[in-house]
Amino acid sequence: KAGVTQTPRYLIKTRGQQVTLSCSPISGHRSVSWYQQTPGQGLQFLFEYFSETQRNKGNFPGRFSGRQFSNSRSEMNVSTLELGDSALYLCASSLVAGDRDEQFFGPGTRLTVL
Amino acid sequence: DQQVKQNSPSLSVQEGRISILNCDYTNSMFDYFLWYKKYPAEGPTFLISISSIKDKNEDGRFTVFLNKSAKHLSLHIVPSQPGDSAVYFCAATRVLSGSNYKLTFGKGTLLTVNP
Repeated sequence: KAGVTQTPRYLIKTRGQQVTLSCSPISGHRSVSWYQQTPGQGLQFLFEYFSETQRNKGNFPGRFSGRQFSNSRSEMNVSTLELGDSALYLCASSLVAGDRDEQFFGPGTRLTVL
Repeated sequence: DQQVKQNSPSLSVQEGRISILNCDYTNSMFDYFLWYKKYPAEGPTFLISISSIKDKNEDGRFTVFLNKSAKHLSLHIVPSQPGDSAVYFCAATRVLSGSNYKLTFGKGTLLTVNP
């Protein structure tokens, strides 16, 4: 069974540009969450999607957005990139939107903003 | 305000001995706690979890202890093996009925197990 896949694995952008990251959850998983990992802040929750609806959102500015498609694949978009957006962006999927579902993480997309 | 704290950025242990990783939380609404292990260039991997209705959960070499009154949990690894060397993240959440959850993570502890 394939795990969570994220594309691209590495990305270099310049300030002011926008970027779209993609996440394919484990087959059958309907919930997708996104996290940002930086050395200073650790892992921080961005948002969570279930059945194409955003159900939870972390404390990030509106430049960070996402969506989920009918096949549960998800994308996140960051507009007007800033240097501080350089981070590892992790996607996690879980089976159902229920109690105590462990989240399975992908390998992440390493974004560097120059 | 950091709601989940891992105050030790690193820990070094000899192979075969016990590793104890600690985690404190401040939000009394958290009722479910998880530990993840992360190797470089990989996403975190779920290790073990514990619900607030328990004070201990075991899975092989891994045991998590929860002290709700102290808002403290710890992960014990016995015996430690060199392959356990990784960054360990503590995470907490509040589980709502019929809803998935968002995880609040600590900043991680780098465990090094020396042969």
